[in-house]
Amino acid sequence: QKEVEQNSGPLSVPEGAIASLNCTYSDRGSQSFFWYRQYSGKSPELIMSIYSNGDKEDGRFTAQLNKASQYVSLLIRDSQPSDSATYLCAGGEKAAGNKLTFGGGTRVLVKP
Amino acid sequence: GAGVSQSPRYKVAKRGQDVALRCDPISGHVSLFWYQQALGQGPEFLTYFQNEAQLDKSGLPSDRFFAERPEGSVSTLKIQRTQQEDSAVYLCASSLVYGTGGDEQYFGPGTRLTVT
Repeated sequence: QKEVEQNSGPLSVPEGAIASLNCTYSDRGSQSFFWYRQYSGKSPELIMSIYSNGDKEDGRFTAQLNKASQYVSLLIRDSQPSDSATYLCAGGEKAAGNKLTFGGGTRVLVKP
Repeated sequence: GAGVSQSPRYKVAKRGQDVALRCDPISGHVSLFWYQQALGQGPEFLTYFQNEAQLDKSGLPSDRFFAERPEGSVSTLKIQRTQQEDSAVYLCASSLVYGTGGDEQYFGPGTRLTVT
């Protein structure tokens, strides 16, 4: 059973602070990783994709991948109340058409 | 440009009824995926198409679930003889190409199915 694990939260963060979200995965066949943001009652929205070990930055978001440790993280800098949502980590397996295996999501609350 | 669209957005079915859920992917996207999301959980894979070919249907929960994409564009997920455990949000996603890079999946708004 391929698994992606996330802390369900809620992760409470003061406005302007850094939110740090973590994700571990069990399948070494996973080659691509994605972070999605999902507001309540809405569908997942892609934030970041990462394919190689190291860091990838896009605006206020930084994704980090460590394949040896089977660990993916997302940092949100200068957190805003509009960042309050559930963040889903997903791993894609190229050999399987890149179908995604999702974690259960981490709920983030940014308090003004 | 237009994103992934799904219809209907909400569907209420009586137990035992058949339902059909439609997905219109982003124009030109080769790959199309269906996921099922229960309340409070992450989406779970159901099936995958590359153009009109259904390459993976390992996630379909039973033989009551059937999906097609006959012309390699619009896809339909059909559920026969619906059961209460089928109540969930059904998400469709599409991606431009298969393989590393350019394979980010973009989701539609979903269809919320409630079986009474």
